[in-house]
Amino acid sequence: QQQVKQSPQSLIVQKGGIPIINCAYENTAFDYFPWYQQFPGKGPALLIAIRPDVSEKKEGRFTISFNKSAKQFSLHIMDSQPGDSATYFCAALQGGKLIFGQGTELSVKP
Amino acid sequence: DAGVIQSPRHEVTEMGQEVTLRCKPISGHNSLFWYRQTMMRGLELLIYFNNNVPIDDSGMPEDRFSAKMPNASFSTLKIQPSEPRDSAVYFCASSLKTGDPGWPQHFGDGTRLSIL
Repeated sequence: QQQVKQSPQSLIVQKGGIPIINCAYENTAFDYFPWYQQFPGKGPALLIAIRPDVSEKKEGRFTISFNKSAKQFSLHIMDSQPGDSATYFCAALQGGKLIFGQGTELSVKP
Repeated sequence: DAGVIQSPRHEVTEMGQEVTLRCKPISGHNSLFWYRQTMMRGLELLIYFNNNVPIDDSGMPEDRFSAKMPNASFSTLKIQPSEPRDSAVYFCASSLKTGDPGWPQHFGDGTRLSIL
């Protein structure tokens, strides 16, 4: 059972573009929604996170938009750079457990 | 400060052999997590510990898998006997407090396991 659905599976943008990655969830008990970034051969690393009582959070070029009523949240990367090319995972936390989306492989072309 | 340390980084072994993966969490962290990553199933939580005690092992695929945390600075994940379908990247993560959003999980760089 996939509790967090992520799309698209892959994404290609030009440098300076704004890739958007979307996630949806069903379980209203989730109380924290982080995004992780993973480079090849490395473990996932926390990028940015949001609580469900906040509609938007910005950290540098990364923004999370959160729609509690629709049970959806998304990651926007402003002024994307080739160094942002990685796999991005959304996740949802309930108690001690993180449930991850399937991941989005982002490629930013120079 | 050192991050989560996993060993070995790569393991190739034949079906039926015992495999032991090791993890050293970040010093002072009270919670430790084992994940498995595959193309088909993504990142799955296998088991997690709080203060060295297993809390939830519902993600452990079957009895061939076992995990221990004998002290606050070391954990193992063991597969016996191993099967080709166990081939995956296994990650260990630690956090200061389980379930507290203020204390995120920090991941190691994983062990890439191949069972022939």
